[in-house]
Amino acid sequence: ETGVTQTPRHLVMGMTNKKSLKCEQHLGHNAMYWYKQSAKKPLELMFVYNFKEQTENNSVPSRFSPECPNSSHLFLHLHTLQPEDSALYLCASSQETGQVLGEQYFGPGTRLTVT
Amino acid sequence: EDQVTQSPEALRLQEGESSSLNCSYTVSGLRGLFWYRQDPGKGPEFLFTLYSAGEEKEKERLKATLTKKESFLHITAPKPEDSATYLCASSGGSYIPTFGRGTSLIVHP
Repeated sequence: ETGVTQTPRHLVMGMTNKKSLKCEQHLGHNAMYWYKQSAKKPLELMFVYNFKEQTENNSVPSRFSPECPNSSHLFLHLHTLQPEDSALYLCASSQETGQVLGEQYFGPGTRLTVT
Repeated sequence: EDQVTQSPEALRLQEGESSSLNCSYTVSGLRGLFWYRQDPGKGPEFLFTLYSAGEEKEKERLKATLTKKESFLHITAPKPEDSATYLCASSGGSYIPTFGRGTSLIVHP
C-alpha cells in the first residue's frame, strides 16, 4: 500500500448504529487530519493530530470521536449520527515542522450515508 | 474570520484555450496559500504552496501566483485531462486551513 488509504470506501448506517472509519498513511508523516466534504460546501477540518496528540478539534459534535493510536493510523468513531452528517469523510496526512502547515496528502475518502 | 472565495464556480474551456482561476483570501498572518486538484470520487491532490506575495510556481500547464489578496491558477493550453475541481486553501495565524468551494473545470476536446 502507498500513500493514504481509507476503509471502508462506502458506508450506509442508521441513526442508531455505531461504526468506525479507518485511515492509514504510509508516508512517514507526523500529522493526520479528518475532513468533512459536503456537496456545495467547502472542505471542513474536523480534527488534527500531531505526533499522536490531538491539537485541534474544530467544534465537532461529540457524536464524532477520533482516535489516533500511532502516527500512521487514525480512526473516526461514529455513533448516533444525523442525516445531515451524510458526506464524504477525508483523511489526510502531512509532515509538520511546527513552522508552517505543510502540504497535505489525502486519502480517497469514505462516502457516508446516514439513513 | 478567515475567508476564501473562489471564482468562477464552474468553467468550460475548449482544448488549448488558456484561462485563469481566481482565489480571493482574507486571513490574518498568511502562513501559506495552497492549491489542490480533486477528481470525482477521489481525495484532493496537492499542487502548490505559495508563502508570500510575488511568489510563483509552475507545474506542466499550471502556474500559480500570489498577491496580498488573491491567488491565480493559470492554465495554459489545457487538455481534457486537466478537467477537475481545483481547490484553494489558506492557512493563517489560527493554523487551521480554510478551503474555498472550488472551481469545477471542464476542458472539451
